[in-house]
Amino acid sequence: NAGVMQNPRHLVRRRGQEARLRCSPMKGHSHVYWYRQLPEEGLKFMVYLQKENIIDESGMPKERFSAEFPKEGPSILRIQQVVRGDSAAYFCASSPQMTKGITDTQYFGPGTRLTVL
Amino acid sequence: KQEVTQIPAALSVPEGENLVLNCSFTDSAIYNLQWFRQDPGKGLTSLLLIQSSQREQTSGRLNASLDKSSGRSTLYIAASQPGDSATYLCAVTGANNLFFGTGTRLTVIP
Repeated sequence: NAGVMQNPRHLVRRRGQEARLRCSPMKGHSHVYWYRQLPEEGLKFMVYLQKENIIDESGMPKERFSAEFPKEGPSILRIQQVVRGDSAAYFCASSPQMTKGITDTQYFGPGTRLTVL
Repeated sequence: KQEVTQIPAALSVPEGENLVLNCSFTDSAIYNLQWFRQDPGKGLTSLLLIQSSQREQTSGRLNASLDKSSGRSTLYIAASQPGDSATYLCAVTGANNLFFGTGTRLTVIP
């Protein structure tokens, strides 16, 4: 059973371009979480998605950022008109289920390191 | 809002020593607490998960404790090895996501 996969592993964009980050959860997992790790800072929650639904996007900037998890295919984190402050490592995690509101163990991907020039 | 703090920020120990990493959180209404390991340029590896009803979990040379009422957890590493060098992250589970500390960067000197 392959782990959580993210691609690309490294992404370089110039200011104003768009960045698309992909995450394929573990087989059988239907919950996806995105986190951002800024240089020298801890991981911060961005968004939680189930198939075709955004459950919680309270950690996502209101502008330029969007996320989706379609019925088929990977989850996509999209950043429009990137700025230098978007440079960070973006991690995706997945989990198989939620039982009685208790979050199951989250399994993390290797991350995508975005550099904005 | 949940705040998670880890002390110390960095730690260097000689090989073979036992050590303790500390984690504190402000809101005791948590579902569980996890300890992760992060190697430079890599993703996170889950080490131990303690449910809110539990006091501790053990895996090999690692032992994690949880005192929910005081908002504290410790990760004990016995007989440290150079391969243990990494950043150790503590995370507490809220309703829909994890709240992470900033980590403790551990260096084990051969």
